[in-house]
Amino acid sequence: ETGVTQSPTHLIKTRGQQVTLRCSSQSGHNTVSWYQQALGQGPQFIFQYYREEENGRGNFPPRFSGLQFPNYSSELNVNALELDDSALYLCASSRTSGRSTGELFFGEGSRLTVL
Amino acid sequence: GNSVTQMEGPVTLSEEAFLTINCTYTATGYPSLFWYVQYPGEGLQLLLKATKADDKGSNKGFEATYRKETTSFHLEKGSVQVSDSAVYFCALSEGGRRALTFGSGTRLQVQP
Repeated sequence: ETGVTQSPTHLIKTRGQQVTLRCSSQSGHNTVSWYQQALGQGPQFIFQYYREEENGRGNFPPRFSGLQFPNYSSELNVNALELDDSALYLCASSRTSGRSTGELFFGEGSRLTVL
Repeated sequence: GNSVTQMEGPVTLSEEAFLTINCTYTATGYPSLFWYVQYPGEGLQLLLKATKADDKGSNKGFEATYRKETTSFHLEKGSVQVSDSAVYFCALSEGGRRALTFGSGTRLQVQP
């Protein structure tokens, strides 16, 4: 067990709705990354948060947004849901020191189904 | 951009067989290379890593060698067990930020 917890574990939404996914990072970690894993595919990097600011972003549209809180927990928000947003969303926490980020520890994910 | 290509599965082996899962990569610089494993119903776990050319990562009987000349990081294990059944992902990261680029995964099924 990594100490990274995500909620909810499963949820179903309809097209056009909005969703918020939550992640609590491992103790001592100050960086959170989010990944999208479509069925049968490898995870794809969405973005990373450090010191409550976005610190890198993958090829995802602006309707994917996030927050990091002072306790280093994080939220992923997706607006105007599309069918292709159906996926497992993974959160990973790590510790950044200086310009280097250490090993990523993943949560078990939130499975989103968009109907 | 960066990319990772790994062999398609599923790979089905009998217990105690030798395992190789091929992984090749494309990167602009000098990436770190990783193998992650995803057991049924669990999150991704780091299996092993290598940060520079000719490094060998090893863990739980698995090993992989960073080959810069062939841009490869093949995963091997001499004798697989039923408990090794999982999906294995090859990944790379560049720079200090550790944003990972993953391959599409290879499902391993080990039969008793």
